Amino acid sequence: DTGVSQNPRHKITKRGQNVTFRCDPISEHNRLYWYRQTLGQGPEFLTYFQNEAQLEKSRLLSDRFSAERPKGSFSTLEIQRTEQGDSAMYLCASSFKTGRSDTQYFGPGTRLTVL
Amino acid sequence: GENVEQHPSTLSVQEGDSAVIKCTYSDSASNYFPWYKQELGKGPQLIIDIRSNVGEKKDQRIAVTLNKTAKHFSLHITETQPEDSAVYFCAATSSGGSYIPTFGRGTSLIVHP
Repeated sequence: DTGVSQNPRHKITKRGQNVTFRCDPISEHNRLYWYRQTLGQGPEFLTYFQNEAQLEKSRLLSDRFSAERPKGSFSTLEIQRTEQGDSAMYLCASSFKTGRSDTQYFGPGTRLTVL
Repeated sequence: GENVEQHPSTLSVQEGDSAVIKCTYSDSASNYFPWYKQELGKGPQLIIDIRSNVGEKKDQRIAVTLNKTAKHFSLHITETQPEDSAVYFCAATSSGGSYIPTFGRGTSLIVHP
């Protein structure tokens, strides 16, 4: 399977705990995006990387959130001191940016439940 | 920033009927408009996209139209089948830098056999 993969698919944690999610993009895609999706809403942008550089962060990304893409391949999203409001589906997408084209392909998501 | 409105929020059709989902956007700089299909428990899948230099694009039973002047674009699905049942999202992207799409709130399409 050469699509975007995310692990774990589901995570249940208690409020105050830290969690880390992993995203493996499509091979050779230079851009990687993180989104959050809550019930009845479209994906909301959190942050994106071009290669290993984190180029933009949304105002939604509080100080408790951090993302890395150390070698320009896989990425991790960590949430510290989780809150119940963090419960959502966290989606990763990747793309190969060329000229005006930036078609994004999504992974299956990690569903986070904070108790 | 960009604002994308999507209607209807729910659409129920009989198998074989056509379905139309409409979106409007606010930023005249937006020039790339993808549509995604999301099935329960899965991530969004790109089904068709259109760029601002064309007015219509077709792919088998799916078509998308774009009216740049009115800032709206639509998804048309003909001969609907039960497996078309899913949530559909439109998005608008500006080429003015980061290519970050703004998504609509989604349309839940239900195709009754």
